[in-house]
Amino acid sequence: KNEVEQSPQNLTAQEGEFITINCSYSVGISALHWLQQHPGGGIVSLFMLSSGKKKHGRLIATINIQEKHSSLHITASHPRDSAVYICAVEAQDSNYQLIWGAGTKLIIKP
Amino acid sequence: NAGVTQTPKFQVLKTGQSMTLQCAQDMNHEYMSWYRQDPGMGLRLIHYSVGAGITDQGEVPNGYNVSRSTTEDFPLRLLSAAPSQTSVYFCASSRPGTGELFFGEGSRLTVL
Repeated sequence: KNEVEQSPQNLTAQEGEFITINCSYSVGISALHWLQQHPGGGIVSLFMLSSGKKKHGRLIATINIQEKHSSLHITASHPRDSAVYICAVEAQDSNYQLIWGAGTKLIIKP
Repeated sequence: NAGVTQTPKFQVLKTGQSMTLQCAQDMNHEYMSWYRQDPGMGLRLIHYSVGAGITDQGEVPNGYNVSRSTTEDFPLRLLSAAPSQTSVYFCASSRPGTGELFFGEGSRLTVL
């Protein structure tokens, strides 16, 4: 079993829909990252969370440390949001190594 | 502020050739790492460094070598390229615990 599980693996939605991507982990962590990778493109860090909730534009990320779960939400989704969204955790006592989820491929249709 | 500069963007090698992927950052980050990304798979850690003069192996280190003589530079060397090393390689630089996590644009390597 992977230490970081993302769901769904693939998600297709219509423009304007509210999107939720989930990340569950089984290790103790010091922080959790959400990242975005466009097709053929580089990787961009969206959020780092250690507790609570963060918002940036139409993106919202939440984390529940007790339940070992995080969600990434996209409000008013747009075709330019189409990308792979990746969850990664900084495990405690891991010498700062990140444990990566497999990613969620999101397609937003106009 | 250039962030993370990774070169080359594309490279084709023949089996047995060697090459170096360059990675440089200008953010004074202590932590740097190299990943490979294969189709349908997540990022896999090759080597990482927590500071100048300190490197360590990640999940898939075989066939690769690294050094960290300065804080800014973290080159990845392929000693004798094999077709199994065909992949997209990413260099990352970070300050753990701060949210500062930056990636290079990636290097697409094909080994024939």
